[in-house]
Amino acid sequence: EIVMTQSPATLSVSPGDRATLSCGASQSIFTNLAWYQQKPGQAPRLLISGASTRATGVPARFSGSGSGTEFTLTISSLQSEDFAVYYCQQYNDWPLTFGGGTKVEIK
Amino acid sequence: QVQLQESGPGLVKPSETLFLTCTVSGSSVSSSYYWGWIRQSPGKGLEWIGSMFHSGNTYYNPSLKSRVTISLDTSKNQLSLKLRSMTAADTAVYYCARRITVPVGVGWFDPWGQGILVTVSS
Repeated sequence: EIVMTQSPATLSVSPGDRATLSCGASQSIFTNLAWYQQKPGQAPRLLISGASTRATGVPARFSGSGSGTEFTLTISSLQSEDFAVYYCQQYNDWPLTFGGGTKVEIK
Repeated sequence: QVQLQESGPGLVKPSETLFLTCTVSGSSVSSSYYWGWIRQSPGKGLEWIGSMFHSGNTYYNPSLKSRVTISLDTSKNQLSLKLRSMTAADTAVYYCARRITVPVGVGWFDPWGQGILVTVSS
């Protein structure tokens, strides 16, 4: 099983600032990585697939990068609606696995 | 617009079997996607349970494989989950989701249902 590790667990950021979230895989997953955003009481929402391709309707301030075992989600200028929990998911191999999440909170 | 809606009991007794249904609208479960279940508990985060294609091709998480069955009902455009021998550790929010298939790798989930909280307690 591929283990996904996210850091930090919590990120305190001021509105308008940049947020950088990390996701690591226990073995190479190439670019077979997705990012999701989850707000309280809601289901996860797809943000990015293929490590860097934004889903339909996702604002350009969200960007993903990385390949192999190290990945990054960057939110260039945090808006109030961006404070949420973010998860990465590898889809290189079965079983599909998720990271533990990074909570982005208001500083 | 594809929408998924889970339904089923919110409370299950230990050792009983959980039955959940997911009704799909805006897409057919007979289309070229896998359909699956994911759960989320405070202790274990997001955990993929399994996925099924209308051809019958099914993949399960090895950690749950001995207790889980996923099926598709094309006449009702629904997928279902059966999880046997429930324990407190199975308390979670259960989501159904469409899995996007890709030429390389397995695929990601989009969209998701709103989720249903299932508590295991006597």
